[in-house]
This record gives sequence, C-alpha cells and structure tokens, in this order.
Amino acid sequence: QKEVEQNSGPLSVPEGAIASLNCTYSDRGSQSFFWYRQYSGKSPELIMFIYSNGDKEDGRFTAQLNKASQYVSLLIRDSQPSDSATYLCASRRGNTPLVFGKGTRLSVIA
Amino acid sequence: SQTIHQWPATLVQPVGSPLSLECTVEGTSNPNLYWYRQAAGRGLQLLFYSVGIGQISSEVPQNLSASRPQDRQFILSSKKLLLSDSGFYLCAWSGGTVSYNEQFFGPGTRLTVL
Repeated sequence: QKEVEQNSGPLSVPEGAIASLNCTYSDRGSQSFFWYRQYSGKSPELIMFIYSNGDKEDGRFTAQLNKASQYVSLLIRDSQPSDSATYLCASRRGNTPLVFGKGTRLSVIA
Repeated sequence: SQTIHQWPATLVQPVGSPLSLECTVEGTSNPNLYWYRQAAGRGLQLLFYSVGIGQISSEVPQNLSASRPQDRQFILSSKKLLLSDSGFYLCAWSGGTVSYNEQFFGPGTRLTVL
C-alpha cells in the first residue's frame, strides 16, 4: 500500500520564523513530489514540486528531497499569517495518480 | 493558460436523489483527469481517474460513477445519493500538451446530502 505520512499538526510558528513541514513516503519507486497549500473551504493550490535529491527554492519556499530516507520537506521562510493553511504532501510514480498525505495544519501567529 | 472549471460550486440534495457534477479543462489537450472527494476534516480520496476519452479507472467501489464524453470533460454521477456522499468534490488535471507532471485542482463543488 503506497502511503504518504504527515504530522497532522497544528504546527504553530511566530510571524517571521521558518516553518518546517515534513512528510515521508513508502513507495521507493516514487519519482516526483509535490507540496500543495489548502486554505479552509478552498481547493488545494500547487506550491512547488521536486524530482531530484537536494533543495529546490522558489521565493520563500524551499522543498527538500532525500530519496534514501524517503523524506520530503517544505521550508517556509519569513512566515506570514497568510501562510496559515493546511499543507498537503504528495508523491507520484511515473504517470500514476498522486498519493496524498492527510496534510499538516500550519498556524502562523502574528 | 490552462483553466479548470467545475459546477455547481455548492449543491444541497436530498438522500436518494441523482447527482451530476461537471468538470471541464481549457488550454490543453489529452489531459489526465481526476475526481477526488474530501470529507469534512479528512484527507483527499481519489475516486476516479481517466487517461483518455471513455477510459475510466475506479479507485473506490461505491454508488458513484464517472464518464468522459469529450477530451476535456469529466462528469461525476450518482443515481441515488447517500448521506455519506456529502463532501467537497474536486476535479483535477495533469499531463496533456502543456503540463508534464504537475496536477492542478479545480475550485470544487461542496455537496451536502440531507
């Protein structure tokens, strides 16, 4: 059974701090990994994706992938109250459907 | 640019009534299409996906069905709704002529079955 595990949270960080969101995946054949942000009552919005081991930066967001440890993380620098949302991690093998984790709720305290 | 539409945005239906939710994608051809359901406070559950016209894969046996009558149109249906069908229904697309691997969600339909 392919699974993606995330801590449900809530993860509370003060405004301006770095928020660190983590997930692990069970399918070693997974090739691509995605982070989505979902505000309450809204649909998930793609933040970024990563294919290769290491870091990938996009603005305030950095995705990190360690395939040996089957671990993916998302760092949010200079966290803002508007970053408060549920963050979904997903993995994918080839062209098969994404496998989603249940999400981590992030709360940024002003 | 690519756009995904879903309608209606909200729906309240009695138990036992039929259901039809529609999703269309613009700006790409031959996309993979997906239907998800998200129950209140729960994760995303993949219901159906399609890699082409008339090709539907079902992930969860239930009283729902899906059809893809056109390349960029995906329909979710039910003949008789159950209380447990309440939730947030999301259509998504990936692949096609534009995107390789990213998956994008539509705005969703919030269904309440009474």
